[in-house]
Amino acid sequence: QVQLQESGPGLVKPSETLSLTCTVSGASMNTYYWTWIRQPPGKGLEWIGNIYYSGKINYNPSLKSRVIISIDTSKNQFYLKLNSVTAADSAVYYCARWRELLFDYWGQGSLVAVSS
Amino acid sequence: EIVLTQSPGTLSLSPGERATLSCRASQSISSNYLAWYQQKPGQAPRVLIYGASTRATGIPDRFSGSGSGTDFTLTISRLEPEDFAVYYCQQYSGSPPITFGPGTKVDIK
Repeated sequence: QVQLQESGPGLVKPSETLSLTCTVSGASMNTYYWTWIRQPPGKGLEWIGNIYYSGKINYNPSLKSRVIISIDTSKNQFYLKLNSVTAADSAVYYCARWRELLFDYWGQGSLVAVSS
Repeated sequence: EIVLTQSPGTLSLSPGERATLSCRASQSISSNYLAWYQQKPGQAPRVLIYGASTRATGIPDRFSGSGSGTDFTLTISRLEPEDFAVYYCQQYSGSPPITFGPGTKVDIK
């Protein structure tokens, strides 16, 4: 059974860096793309970017200047860092597995609020 | 970037009725790369359909997908109480970004 679990602070101050970890169990990370997606409260889904185990990364151009996604397959984890956050970055952040044609497994989501 | 538009924004129906949801792309996409997701309050999205018409594992056959080019449809043949939710289409054109439509909410009439 593949499971993904997000973890990280639920509150980040404006201008600081949002950091999240996704821990994967029940599957090898040495295949597929591992993805971050976010959803502001009451709004739709936004793809942030994804990473392959080899380190190949794709970012959403709208966030590319502020985002870093990385992976540590030895720990079965991948990571999101989003810098210079504002209130507009408040959202539920999901990690998910991209199986080429679909996102087949998702974490439960991590709510992050940006506030002083 | 390919923009997806979904209509209607909200669909108010009764259990047992048929639901037809539309997803339109700003440019033609390969049918292979169009998927549909269902999201209930407080939950992560769940994939229903991928490749425009292939049901994901465990998805009941009352859900079906169709379409090609720029116009795609998700049909729920007979709504069950658990089907009232928000539905998103999603595309991958072969190069980033992956994009989602704004969603269609199916609520109880």
